[in-house]
Amino acid sequence: DVKVTQSSRYLVKRTGEKVFLECVQDMDHENMFWYRQDPGLGLRLIYFSYDVKMKEKGDIPEGYSVSREKKERFSLILESASTNQTSMYLCASRDRGISEKLFFGSGTQLSVL
Amino acid sequence: DAKTTQPTSMDCAEGRAANLPCNHSTISGNEYVYWYRQIHSQGPQYIIHGLKNNETNEMASLIITEDRKSSTLILPHATLRDTAVYYCIVNNAGNNRKLIWGLGTSLAVNP
Repeated sequence: DVKVTQSSRYLVKRTGEKVFLECVQDMDHENMFWYRQDPGLGLRLIYFSYDVKMKEKGDIPEGYSVSREKKERFSLILESASTNQTSMYLCASRDRGISEKLFFGSGTQLSVL
Repeated sequence: DAKTTQPTSMDCAEGRAANLPCNHSTISGNEYVYWYRQIHSQGPQYIIHGLKNNETNEMASLIITEDRKSSTLILPHATLRDTAVYYCIVNNAGNNRKLIWGLGTSLAVNP
């Protein structure tokens, strides 16, 4: 089975800190995604990457950046964390082409104080 | 992209079939219906998808109406472990960047 691993399950950071969320997948998938999930708002796409060094903005990219230097790893960066970025962050991967399944990690619950 | 409408919550008795409805009246001809579920504190998990024919796998069955404007996910013998939020999504295959995730149906399976 595909495994998508997020580096931290829970994270507490201070306002203004630079925060790195790491995600690794083990199935050689082309596409990787970062979502955030907030109560009452559902999952919202922050960024996605369709190949190494290739990325596109999702619906809510402001305050975030991403890095994909290797195919298996997709990092989400909060340049200067703010309290409104307190959320559950979910990473997902998907094979290119007609494959329809998204595979998600277990999520990182980030609290910014 | 088509949006979906699902009931906010449902209950089901353990061992009985759980039938989760979804309306997608604006679905277009090349859009698939996907179902995912999210157990508390975990990432969403793919369940099943279909275009126009009914589908079955080891997890569930998917019934799509002939006009494709609605569908039903069936868990034939619900267990306590099926308690989760179930998301119905429509999208072109291979275009997950545009997936619109609603709030889903919170299914409670009761002993």
